[in-house]
Amino acid sequence: EADIYQTPRYLVIGTGKKITLECSQTMGHDKMYWYQQDPGMELHLIHYSYGVNSTEKGDLSSESTVSRIRTEHFPLTLESARPSHTSQYLCASSKGYGYTFGSGTRLTVV
Amino acid sequence: QKEVEQNSGPLSVPEGAIASLNCTYSDRGSQSFFWYRQYSGKSPELIMSIYSNGDKEDGRFTAQLNKASQYVSLLIRDSQPSDSATYLCAGETSNTGKLIFGQGTTLQVKP
Repeated sequence: EADIYQTPRYLVIGTGKKITLECSQTMGHDKMYWYQQDPGMELHLIHYSYGVNSTEKGDLSSESTVSRIRTEHFPLTLESARPSHTSQYLCASSKGYGYTFGSGTRLTVV
Repeated sequence: QKEVEQNSGPLSVPEGAIASLNCTYSDRGSQSFFWYRQYSGKSPELIMSIYSNGDKEDGRFTAQLNKASQYVSLLIRDSQPSDSATYLCAGETSNTGKLIFGQGTTLQVKP
């Protein structure tokens, strides 16, 4: 059973709102990742972190930001949501032997 | 050329048959490879990992790695309708340790 949790599971929000997607893991993993995935499409890495106070942008340009103040917590923030941000956001963590994914947050911006 | 390539499919097999999913990669330094299963609307789930040349078997699943040919495959024996999903191949990059995912192959197992 995966010990990585994402909240909320579903979110419908209006354009211009600020949102934070939560991701927490209890496995003590140093490495954490955020992916964006549209239905039926491939995974796109948008942010990653190799430890506390370490964050990097991924391969897909994103208007979101992340922080890593605690090992177990890796939240993603959108300052001003737009319909183009509608997607599924997946958080993952790793200690070097593959990734464990959370259940994801399905975001709809109206 | 993508770093990890898969045929997007769909691959359709009858129930009880062997499904063969293939993946090629470009980073010769990659040492570790992973197969994930993703049901529609769900998150990816790790089903197999392989680190050395040859075959690795786990139940109905066999992962195969050929580093000389830069080729990874997943065989699913006695395919069941519940195996219908998208299968993602991932390779660990040699310099960063990040996983690079292929675009996934959709498998349909028909009763």
